[in-house]
Amino acid sequence: DAEITQSPRHKITETGRQVTLACHQTWNHNNMFWYRQDLGHGLRLIHYSYGVQDTNKGEVSDGYSVSRSNTEDLPLTLESAASSQTSVYFCASSDQAQGFNIQYFGAGTRLSVL
Amino acid sequence: GQQLNQSPQSMFIQEGEDVSMNCTSSSIFNTWLWYKQDPGEGPVLLIALYKAGELTSNGRLTAQFGITRKDSFLNISASIPSDVGIYFCAGQLFQGAQKLVFGQGTRLTINP
Repeated sequence: DAEITQSPRHKITETGRQVTLACHQTWNHNNMFWYRQDLGHGLRLIHYSYGVQDTNKGEVSDGYSVSRSNTEDLPLTLESAASSQTSVYFCASSDQAQGFNIQYFGAGTRLSVL
Repeated sequence: GQQLNQSPQSMFIQEGEDVSMNCTSSSIFNTWLWYKQDPGEGPVLLIALYKAGELTSNGRLTAQFGITRKDSFLNISASIPSDVGIYFCAGQLFQGAQKLVFGQGTRLTINP
């Protein structure tokens, strides 16, 4: 069955380190998204991509970057991790079948920056 | 940016009770989606609504796309312990829009 997987599921790192969170989908979806979830804020969009070599900033993109070298993967990099980036991160993918955008989510990565 | 106002933010109910939550916006939406997030997992799609006035059921869940296209509600009948979680509404502003706007979630707790 097609799916979207995130790794690692849990990560502890230190302030200032570079961290990369992986997202891999096997639906062959063009669109991929990264969100962070914090209490009181719901899901906030970090970066998104509409296809290979395409990346766009979301509402909370500072301190994060993504790259899209193939259809299946959209890794999220924290250039220099900060305590404010302690959060749960979700990757999602979607396609534009019939113009409706239903996003399918991974199980999440819980990141702690100490 | 666009916002969806989801209420209530949290609910504490007894098992067997019915649940109602809603999302409103000042903007018109083309599509409304309802997701559920179990503890420690990612959101999973429950119901998708595509037309104003549409009423759709999925087992004990019923959702409606408001006639003004600015709101949607989700009802859960006869709640059971596995209904615990966070429920999110999400909207697509126009057909072809590839981003979704999310509500802040309703956290449902059920006392057995």
